[in-house]
Amino acid sequence: GENVEQHPSTLSVQEGDSAVIKCTYSDSASNYFPWYKQELGKRPQLIIDIRSNVGEKKDQRIAVTLNKTAKHFSLHITETQPEDSAVYFCAAQARFGAGTRLTVKP
Amino acid sequence: KAGVTQTPRYLIKTRGQQVTLSCSPISGHRSVSWYQQTPGQGLQFLFEYFSETQRNKGNFPGRFSGRQFSNSRSEMNVSTLELGDSALYLCASSLVLERGMDEQFFGPGTRLTVL
Repeated sequence: GENVEQHPSTLSVQEGDSAVIKCTYSDSASNYFPWYKQELGKRPQLIIDIRSNVGEKKDQRIAVTLNKTAKHFSLHITETQPEDSAVYFCAAQARFGAGTRLTVKP
Repeated sequence: KAGVTQTPRYLIKTRGQQVTLSCSPISGHRSVSWYQQTPGQGLQFLFEYFSETQRNKGNFPGRFSGRQFSNSRSEMNVSTLELGDSALYLCASSLVLERGMDEQFFGPGTRLTVL
């Protein structure tokens, strides 16, 4: 089955800085890559996703890039705000990475 | 549309007992997946059901089992509970036919504590 690795496990940035989280996957047949955000005590919710026929997708301050050849995809958050503090998960074929705890310091 | 619901929300059991958790997906969703979430372990995939059939299974022992009913509601069962089974159990439903190809909508989870 699919195996997803996610780095880093924790990330601390100053408000206004950018944050980047990276994931690799093993199954070249995977073609849908979502990112979920889980705030403390809440359920994971989709924030952005990308399909394999696209190399990059943006939604305001959030972007995801995909490199199918290298089998990795990344989440980019610009102009971070304290409310971005949460755990972020990447996924492929419904298998999730271990999560990245992002802390944005005001 | 109502979201994914899970019952019960909290459960306390003792070692050796068994437990059944329930998940009702969003209306129209036929895929239901179950995950175990523990601190530091992320979301560990248990299994996925589609149209009453187990379509995929993670690397959990046979003590973990599940089923899906004709109305897409799903249950998971854990027998002979161990202390390490204490976790938040999340279910997620999805609309798309092909596994892992669309957004998953998560329920609030069932917090299981094994004493």
